[in-house]
Amino acid sequence: GAGVSQSPSNKVTEKGKDVELRCDPISGHTALYWYRQSLGQGLEFLIYFQGNSAPDKSGLPSDRFSAERTGGSVSTLTIQRTQQEDSAVYLCASSRGGRHLQRGNIQYFGAGTRLSVL
Amino acid sequence: DAKTTQPPSMDCAEGRAANLPCNHSTISGNEYVYWYRQIHSQGPQYIIHGLKNNETNEMASLIITEDRKSSTLILPHATLRDTAVYYCIVRVPVIIQGAQKLVFGQGTRLTINP
Repeated sequence: GAGVSQSPSNKVTEKGKDVELRCDPISGHTALYWYRQSLGQGLEFLIYFQGNSAPDKSGLPSDRFSAERTGGSVSTLTIQRTQQEDSAVYLCASSRGGRHLQRGNIQYFGAGTRLSVL
Repeated sequence: DAKTTQPPSMDCAEGRAANLPCNHSTISGNEYVYWYRQIHSQGPQYIIHGLKNNETNEMASLIITEDRKSSTLILPHATLRDTAVYYCIVRVPVIIQGAQKLVFGQGTRLTINP
């Protein structure tokens, strides 16, 4: 596709349920990032992948959050036993990575998944 | 990454140039200045970046002071669709195979008025 695709666009769940959010990056982009944005707040980094490995998981807020990326493409962010404070927009971005110095550092974002935990 | 300071909000008349300032007084020699914007209910969008020379693309111009302690993003002919939150970010470029997170501050909420 032309851009980063995220699904679902909206997700409403009950407290305590598990949710999976999907990100399909731009074709050929080796780096993939997850951020979240709570209402009225700035973006908060969660995790990034280079290929299938995750060199930086420092932003994951708790062990209820996990992410994987298989085949160097699609990534899934999983939140277990959701809490109301998990309600936010979850944004995915991708970049070329690799040897592309300046331009490889440009991240392209999807439209996000709006998660509401009731 | 160096900390940036931006005004929380600005207004600009449609058709006029919008000039958005950013202070980054602790920027180091190898850090670039990047600008992104986020239109309501959308993901952030890359606008432009630079090191020390002024840069221009189809969206905007970036003016970086000689001492690199501040910069200005210029939207030459602002339209209503340019209403968004604009983020100034400084960071080192990718120098090895890998990538880095973006650290977003609060940005400047730019409102274009008809």
